[in-house]
Amino acid sequence: SAVISQKPSRDICQRGTSLTIQCQVDSQVTMMFWYRQQPGQSLTLIATANQGSEATYESGFVIDKFPISRPNLTFSTLTVSNMSPEDSSIYLCSVVGGLNTEAFFGQGTRLTVV
Amino acid sequence: EDQVTQSPEALRLQEGESSSLNCSYTVSGLRGLFWYRQDPGKGPEFLFTLYSAGEEKEKERLKATLTKKESFLHITAPKPEDSATYLCAVQAGGGKLIFGQGTELSVKP
Repeated sequence: SAVISQKPSRDICQRGTSLTIQCQVDSQVTMMFWYRQQPGQSLTLIATANQGSEATYESGFVIDKFPISRPNLTFSTLTVSNMSPEDSSIYLCSVVGGLNTEAFFGQGTRLTVV
Repeated sequence: EDQVTQSPEALRLQEGESSSLNCSYTVSGLRGLFWYRQDPGKGPEFLFTLYSAGEEKEKERLKATLTKKESFLHITAPKPEDSATYLCAVQAGGGKLIFGQGTELSVKP
């Protein structure tokens, strides 16, 4: 199974600022994803982080608000830009294992915007 | 539109009282159905992947089954440490997962 490290684990940020979340995987993976989990809700996919090309965003999410980098097969970042209290959520990085048999998640980044 | 619905939203059991959680889905081209356990403040913990109708998988007190329209997570003789939110997700093309709302399970001693 893949081991995923996310940083920071939590943060409290002022509105209007930006936060970059890092996701490091202990092995090379083809597919990496970023999810959001709002308070009391389930997980919603933000985007697929593509290595060497622009991320693929889901409906309702845009690159200006959630820019994503994927410089190699073991690392990705998600930036939450110009934050507002509505961005307070848990942000989760996920990778899919070989043959699409398993999908693993990091421990998440709990973001509070004040 | 791909959709996943879990029921019940919350389930309270006494220790040792077996029950089942339901996950109904509609998806074009199912590539896999995933079950996760999530404890408060933590990321989802992978439990099972099911691929085809009739498939079953077991892990300790948990057993997952799959039909063409739904999946069940059976919990046999649960213990308080089984208390968590259980999430179901389907995988369509591209590897992304579509999650249900989850079932919050509480097991009282």
